[in-house]
Amino acid sequence: DTGVSQNPRHKITKRGQNVTFRCDPISEHNRLYWYRQTLGQGPEFLTYFQNEAQLEKSRLLSDRFSAERPKGSFSTLEIQRTEQGDSAMYLCASSLVNRGGVEKLFFGSGTQLSVL
Amino acid sequence: SQQGEEDPQALSIQEGENATMNCSYKTSINNLQWYRQNSGRGLVHLILIRSNEREKHSGRLRVTLDTSKKSSSLLITASRAADTASYFCATDRDTGRRALTFGSGTRLQVQP
Repeated sequence: DTGVSQNPRHKITKRGQNVTFRCDPISEHNRLYWYRQTLGQGPEFLTYFQNEAQLEKSRLLSDRFSAERPKGSFSTLEIQRTEQGDSAMYLCASSLVNRGGVEKLFFGSGTQLSVL
Repeated sequence: SQQGEEDPQALSIQEGENATMNCSYKTSINNLQWYRQNSGRGLVHLILIRSNEREKHSGRLRVTLDTSKKSSSLLITASRAADTASYFCATDRDTGRRALTFGSGTRLQVQP
């Protein structure tokens, strides 16, 4: 499978616990994005990387959230001290930015987080 | 706040009919894209239209863009039950945030 892979697909955790999600982008893609989506809404931007550099973070990304992309390959998103409001689908997407600057995002199937 | 807002929020049609979804946005853009999402899955890119284009076709899809009104429409012709999904517009601003900003989507139900 050469698409974007996210693990795990589902995560159930208790409030206050830490969780970590992994995203493996399409191998030649240089940009990687994290979005969050709640039921009935569109994806909300969280953060993105160009290679290993984290270039932008949304104000939605509180200090309990941290994302890394070591070596510019896979990425992890960690949520510390989870709250019930963190329950959502966390989507990863990757893209290859060309000279024209036009991006098409390729999304993974997401990690569905439920905080009890 | 949402950069793109789709209208209607939900649409139910019969197989064979055409489906039209609209998107409005607020700031100047480089391009506008439409994505599709099946329930519980990730989004799939459908079509992209640049800010200097007015209309684009891809198979049964037709997208229009009116930058003076800051709006776009997605037309799906001869709909099929398999077109049942949520459809999102996404904008790429020409300044500020580089990441695509998505609207809240139109949920399309095509009845067989």
